[in-house]
Amino acid sequence: NAGVMQNPRHLVRRRGQEARLRCSPMKGHSHVYWYRQLPEEGLKFMVYLQKENIIDESGMPKERFSAEFPKEGPSILRIQQVVRGDSAAYFCASSQLIGTSGEKDTQYFGPGTRLTVL
Amino acid sequence: GQNIDQPTEMTATEGAIVQINCTYQTSGFNGLFWYQQHAGEAPTFLSYNVLDGLEEKGRFSSFLSRSKGYSYLLLKELQMKDSASYLCASAVGWGKLQFGAGTQVVVTP
Repeated sequence: NAGVMQNPRHLVRRRGQEARLRCSPMKGHSHVYWYRQLPEEGLKFMVYLQKENIIDESGMPKERFSAEFPKEGPSILRIQQVVRGDSAAYFCASSQLIGTSGEKDTQYFGPGTRLTVL
Repeated sequence: GQNIDQPTEMTATEGAIVQINCTYQTSGFNGLFWYQQHAGEAPTFLSYNVLDGLEEKGRFSSFLSRSKGYSYLLLKELQMKDSASYLCASAVGWGKLQFGAGTQVVVTP
């Protein structure tokens, strides 16, 4: 039973380039979340998606960042025109259900993509 | 905002017990999660509380008091492999987890 998959695990970009981070949720999970973790800081919520819908993007920077979760294929977090401050670990999580207030709401995390902007 | 407060670091010896406290703001609260994160790795799920009281899972237990906005994670019979960061996270509304900065637990021989 494969867990949450993310690729690439490490990504190096120069300032101004685009970064694309991919996430495949656990089998049977239809809810996907993206978090960012800066060095020595906690995880910060970015966006919550279901298939073809953005449910909550309150943590997304207003510019340069976008996310999608198409009907087919992985969820994509896209960062355009990267800057050095975008260097961080980006974690994707998935859950089975929302709203049951039970363990089926538990978010399981992927291994993360470590983005370095030169 | 939804501040999550937990100590920065705790040190304990192998075989001992450590209790990590976490306080959170209660508005929009929808459950409290604890995760373990080793350096450079993904957070792994440890426990979930939504009702008041203690949940026990082997060497790890988690407690919640909703009225006080307080939780703790109890680690018993500490092992060297338990050295890691422990993250307290409050579920706010639907889908969003608010994380604390994490408590680094150092287990010494």
